[in-house]
Amino acid sequence: GAVVSQHPSWVICKSGTSVKIECRSLDFQATTMFWYRQFPKQSLMLMATSNEGSKATYEQGVEKDKFLINHASLTLSTLTVTSAHPEDSSFYICSAPVWPGGYTFGSGTRLTVV
Amino acid sequence: DQQVKQNSPSLSVQEGRISILNCDYTNSMFDYFLWYKKYPAEGPTFLISISSIKDKNEDGRFTVFLNKSAKHLSLHIVPSQPGDSAVYFCAASRGYNNAGNMLTFGGGTRLMVKP
Repeated sequence: GAVVSQHPSWVICKSGTSVKIECRSLDFQATTMFWYRQFPKQSLMLMATSNEGSKATYEQGVEKDKFLINHASLTLSTLTVTSAHPEDSSFYICSAPVWPGGYTFGSGTRLTVV
Repeated sequence: DQQVKQNSPSLSVQEGRISILNCDYTNSMFDYFLWYKKYPAEGPTFLISISSIKDKNEDGRFTVFLNKSAKHLSLHIVPSQPGDSAVYFCAASRGYNNAGNMLTFGGGTRLMVKP
């Protein structure tokens, strides 16, 4: 089946540094990638939608300059958390729609900013 | 404004019995619904889905029921097994088979199946 590979699975970084999270579609082409964020014991909240070759669409309240999304190819979408702060610590998950009518998720990235 | 709600944050069931997880939605434009199972620090795993043209979909031990007039869906797991213990999310989308639509998730229900 369609698989999205997400890396890294966990990362610890110092406050003020940037972290890049990658999601690769392994056996299909992902023209769209959704990026979600989950706080402990809460739901998955959509942050942004990336489309290959165009600018990402950000949800209300999500800082586009802080969460840089690049979708340069049909198999790779990246989320870069810039100038990370402890409040950015969270679980980030990507998801790609797959035909017909399904969605496949990456395994998630646990970001801890210290 | 929570468009998809799971009002029970947790549910405890004895092994072998039925687990019923509920989900309500407010957006009448949603026409495709999915259930996901999620373990901590992992991505959601797809369980079962239903489009608005149906009121029931069954896959093994999992059955999803959709009541469009009540804007309510439920996931039945029979019989429940300890390995089913996880957080279950319902999700809704506009436009089945349209690869551009985002999912809106409910808050999740933690299911605990006791041996």
